[in-house]
Parts: sequence; C-alpha cells; structure tokens
Amino acid sequence: EVQLVESGGGLIQRGGSLRLSCAATGYSVSSSYMAWIRQAPGKGLEWVSVFYADGSTKYTDSARGRFIISRDQSKNVLYLQMNNLGAEDTAVYYCARAQFGYPSYFDSWGQGTLVTVSS
Amino acid sequence: SYVLTQPPSVSVAPGQTAKIPCGGYNIGTKSVHWYQQKPGQAPVLVVYDDSDRPSGIPERISGSNSGNTATLTISGVEAGDEADYYCQVWDTTSDHPYVFGTGTKVTVL
Repeated sequence: EVQLVESGGGLIQRGGSLRLSCAATGYSVSSSYMAWIRQAPGKGLEWVSVFYADGSTKYTDSARGRFIISRDQSKNVLYLQMNNLGAEDTAVYYCARAQFGYPSYFDSWGQGTLVTVSS
Repeated sequence: SYVLTQPPSVSVAPGQTAKIPCGGYNIGTKSVHWYQQKPGQAPVLVVYDDSDRPSGIPERISGSNSGNTATLTISGVEAGDEADYYCQVWDTTSDHPYVFGTGTKVTVL
C-alpha cells in the first residue's frame, strides 16, 4: 500500500526557514513524480513544486528562489526547504505522488502538515 | 499560466444529480482530473483523464470534457458526497505545469 507521511510543519516567524519532509512507503520516490501542494486556510489547492522522475524540478513563481525541493533515495523521503517565509506561505502543505508514466495527476496524497508564519 | 474556473458552490437535493463545471480555454484538448476533499482531509482523486475512475470510486461519479468546459457529474447524490471538488490539468509546456481549479463546494440539501 502506498503511504505518504509529511512532517516538519509548525509555527515560524516571518523571514525564518523550515524543512518539510514526506516519507514514502510502498513505492520508491525516485520512480515517481513527487510534488508539494499547499492550501491556505479556507482557500483552494495551489501547486508549489515538483520533482520529476528524471531529476528535474519546477516551482511556482512565488516559491522560485526561496524554496528547494529535493529527495533522498536512500531514505525514500521527499523534502521541501522553505526560506524567507512570509505570511502568504501559511498553509497546509501536502506531498503527492504522480505515478511514473502517468505524470499528469496525483493518485496518492499525504495527510498534510501545517505551516504557520507569524509576523 | 493556464486558468481553470469553477463556481464557488453547487447545491443539490439527495438523490438528484450534481454537475460541477470547470472552465478553461480549449480545455477539451487537455486531460482533466478531479479531486474530492472533505473537511480536514487530504484530497482524493475521483476522476482522471476526463472520465476514468480509480478503483473504489462509485460509478455514479463520472466526468466529461469538451470545448471550453469539463464537467464532473455526481448522480444519486448522497450526504457523504458533500465536499469540495477541484479540477486539475497538466500543462506540459508551462513552467507552472500543474493547475488546479478554484474549487466548488457541493452542499447536499
């Protein structure tokens, strides 16, 4: 069974940094497309970043230059390093998987981790 | 980047049919996917590639896509269908490849 478990969220001051983790079981993160998607309180889903199976990465405009997505194949974990956080980054952050060969949609999601940026 | 527009809310009586539109320019040329999200829970994929259902999703949930509108249809609506629904497409040529719709809250009267 595929399972994704996020951790690392919490309360952080504006300008601070956090590293989110997403531990995967039931499959290899290196054989899939892995993404971070966030949801601000009371708002919709917003894609943040993706780590493609070929190792390439992409970011939404607001994350580019501040966030870094990475993976540790030996630990089967996906990360999101978030720097210079602002109030607009307050959200529940989900990691999600798109199967290799089916990159266009996410068939598995974690339960999410809440990031709250205080001023 | 590509924009997907959904109505904020749809209300439907139990047993009736709910139709949730998702508008986008020439969306009929793209594959559209749909997620259901209940309060406090992570999204769940309910339709992929316009009209296919993952295992475990009931047949009364279906999708279609043509022209500038994709539609998620829930037939025989039940109280348990009350949730937020999001459409999503993958734009391979964009630096912003994954686009979600604005979301629709389905209320069962």
